[in-house]
Amino acid sequence: AQSVTQPDIHITVSEGASLELRCNYSYGATPYLFWYVQSPGQGLQLLLKYFSGDTLVQGIKGFEAEFKRSQSSFNLRKPSVHWSDAAEYFCAAYNNNDMRFGAGTRLTVKP
Amino acid sequence: EAGVTQFPSHSVIEKGQTVTLRCDPISGHDNLYWYRRVMGKEIKFLLHFVKESKQDESGMPNNRFLAERTGGTYSTLKVQPAELEDSGVYFCASSPRQGAYTGELFFGEGSRLTVL
Repeated sequence: AQSVTQPDIHITVSEGASLELRCNYSYGATPYLFWYVQSPGQGLQLLLKYFSGDTLVQGIKGFEAEFKRSQSSFNLRKPSVHWSDAAEYFCAAYNNNDMRFGAGTRLTVKP
Repeated sequence: EAGVTQFPSHSVIEKGQTVTLRCDPISGHDNLYWYRRVMGKEIKFLLHFVKESKQDESGMPNNRFLAERTGGTYSTLKVQPAELEDSGVYFCASSPRQGAYTGELFFGEGSRLTVL
């Protein structure tokens, strides 16, 4: 069955530290891949997306993600986290009119 | 340009009551989606409208849920009668016609439903 897995429910990092949020997908064919962020009191905002081509994609707010076909992964990274990055992050995959989300990873940023 | 708006932001009702959630998509977006997130779980697809027609309602949990999209504009999602397990956050999303092929969606802030 098609699915998206985010293994980490909650991650805490110090401000200024690097961040990596994991995402794995299980699909027959490579889907389109997305990362969304939901800040408190706000809707889901698209951070970045991968359709094809360069496997390292740049997004907004200094985020990037790398698609690795061999690992069926699409991990989100940021070199230096800011306190305003505290939010919940969702990985999503789209294929053939079917959009599926992971369970989300909540990010806490320590001062 | 106004984004996707949802109303109410939070609704608290008792088991057995009826609740209607509303979504106003971005103007001109043909595609409208409803998703639901039960606490701590993944965001799950409920249904997809293309204009006023239901394209896919395979995610609707049961016949207590009724979605409509009048004239292809705003949409409502009615839960009648509500049960405890219906509690969660209901997200609406929209996309322009070509968005159906790329999956890029624009989300509202969600409507939190609490059933007591």
